[in-house]
Amino acid sequence: GQNIDQPTEMTATEGAIVQINCTYQTSGFNGLFWYQQHAGEAPTFLSYNVLDGLEEKGRFSSFLSRSKGYSYLLLKELQMKDSASYLCAVWGAGSYQLTFGKGTKLSVIP
Amino acid sequence: DSGVTQTPKHLITATGQRVTLRCSPRSGDLSVYWYQQSLDQGLQFLIQYYNGEERAKGNILERFSAQQFPDLHSELNLSSLELGDSALYFCASSGTGGTEAFFGQGTRLTVV
Repeated sequence: GQNIDQPTEMTATEGAIVQINCTYQTSGFNGLFWYQQHAGEAPTFLSYNVLDGLEEKGRFSSFLSRSKGYSYLLLKELQMKDSASYLCAVWGAGSYQLTFGKGTKLSVIP
Repeated sequence: DSGVTQTPKHLITATGQRVTLRCSPRSGDLSVYWYQQSLDQGLQFLIQYYNGEERAKGNILERFSAQQFPDLHSELNLSSLELGDSALYFCASSGTGGTEAFFGQGTRLTVV
């Protein structure tokens, strides 16, 4: 089976930096994804990690440690539009099933 | 625009009825995934097809079924609908396994 844990909610201030953590336990691992989802809308792809280390993409960075079953998404220079849910997802064994965590609802306040 | 098309966008139906949700994947993508998202819940994986064949099954109820056709579009059939089936149903597609999945805009199903 697969288990993915993320904090339920976080609040951060506009212009600040926030780190959203994700821990996972899966039968096989073929990559970890972060998606952003605004309420009632489709998830949109943010980042992908398959090897250990940091991937940077503009204001967003994602880190992976496979040995620890741990990832984080780092958002810099927060903007109000970053208020959304952030979903951690893992490709399990055989790359046939993309399993999502319940998501972290981020509220950015002025 | 992700390139994944889902129809209809909204569906309201009565308990006990049957509905069909349709998904057209991005051009060239062979994998199609179906997810259910209830209010304030995470994305629950239902089922995955790859090039017409079922490849993985998640928490899909026996009242639900899906298929992928030769032109790669997919349909999710929900029968004997209950109030608790009200949710957003998302379809996603990807190329080979292990690559990012692109999501359609979803079908909002309301069972009354």
